[in-house]
Amino acid sequence: GQNIDQPTEMTATEGAIVQINCTYQTSGFNGLFWYQQHAGEAPTFLSYNVLDGLEEKGRFSSFLSRSKGYSYLLLKELQMKDSASYLCAVGMDSNYQLIWGAGTKLIIKP
Amino acid sequence: DADVTQTPRNRITKTGKRIMLECSQTKGHDRMYWYRQDPGLGLRLIYYSFDVKDINKGEISDGYSVSRQAQAKFSLSLESAIPNQTALYFCATSIGAGASYEQYFGPGTRLTVT
Repeated sequence: GQNIDQPTEMTATEGAIVQINCTYQTSGFNGLFWYQQHAGEAPTFLSYNVLDGLEEKGRFSSFLSRSKGYSYLLLKELQMKDSASYLCAVGMDSNYQLIWGAGTKLIIKP
Repeated sequence: DADVTQTPRNRITKTGKRIMLECSQTKGHDRMYWYRQDPGLGLRLIYYSFDVKDINKGEISDGYSVSRQAQAKFSLSLESAIPNQTALYFCATSIGAGASYEQYFGPGTRLTVT
């Protein structure tokens, strides 16, 4: 079966750095996505990794290790607006579908 | 204007009723998807369509049906609604070809079945 694990909830302080981990066990792999979802709103795309290593995009970075089935999303200089759920999803090469993790709710405190 | 729209945004219905959720997009994408989201669970795929003539079942298609009326429109129907279909429903689109298939989501429909 397909399995994606993320912590359910994390808390961090405004201005700090937080790392959200995602581990996956899937029958196929064609890239790993991170999406941000504010409460009651639609998910929006943050990043896509298909090769091992770190991808940096402003305050957000995403890392992938395919051999370990592991990714993380790193958020720097946290702002209150970063309070949201962060969804990890694996792209399947067989049918181009995404398998989604349950998401990590990130709470930012002043 | 939003690229992916869903109607209605909220709906309360009774057990046994047939309802339709509609999705329209102006992104020109071939691929469209219907997901449901429940607290504590990841997004789960109900149906997806790669073009007007191609409809595929997803992970949890039982109790649902879809219609792809045009490239821009993809509707989800609940034939006989039941309470465990209470959820947040999202429509999404993606580019049909190539390695990049970032998905673009509509605002969601919150459905309650009583």
